[in-house]
Amino acid sequence: GAVVSQHPSWVICKSGTSVKIECRSLDFQATTMFWYRQFPKQSLMLMATSNEGSKATYEQGVEKDKFLINHASLTLSTLTVTSAHPEDSSFYICSARVKTPLATDTQYFGPGTRLTVL
Amino acid sequence: SQQGEEDPQALSIQEGENATMNCSYKTSINNLQWYRQNSGRGLVHLILIRSNEREKHSGRLRVTLDTSKKSSSLLITASRAADTASYFCATDARGAQKLVFGQGTRLTINP
Repeated sequence: GAVVSQHPSWVICKSGTSVKIECRSLDFQATTMFWYRQFPKQSLMLMATSNEGSKATYEQGVEKDKFLINHASLTLSTLTVTSAHPEDSSFYICSARVKTPLATDTQYFGPGTRLTVL
Repeated sequence: SQQGEEDPQALSIQEGENATMNCSYKTSINNLQWYRQNSGRGLVHLILIRSNEREKHSGRLRVTLDTSKKSSSLLITASRAADTASYFCATDARGAQKLVFGQGTRLTINP
């Protein structure tokens, strides 16, 4: 099956620093990738939709200047949390969508990145 | 915004019993999907049911979809301790091109 990887799997940083998280589709090309955030014991909240070669579409309430998304190729999307603060500590999950022959879009999820901001 | 609501929020049963989780949504959908998430881990896709389907089976999993009531249920039969996890429904709304997740059900299987 299709595999999506994320790097790093966890990161601890100081307040005010920037952190980059990578999302890669390993064995397929993903025209669209999604970034989610999940706080403890809560559900996944979609942050943004990233299409290869174009600007990301952010969900309402998500600051695009704080969460920079780059989708430079069909297998890589990056999320940069700029000037991170403790309230940005969360579990960040990406997913990649691949078109299937049945025209039913299937998303494959990465294992997530745990960000802790001190 | 989240469009899916799940109930119960938490469910604790004995091993061997059946577990039923429900999901309701608000808009027309292309399909509805169920995922499992172990604590602190990524999502595992369980099953996808299309809007023109009413029931689907996969091993010990049975999913139903009632588009007239905008609801779905996930039944896990003969539960095992390894089924302990959070379960989420996610809807692929028509025209939205994205998945929206429900609040999830935390399932605990007691040995």
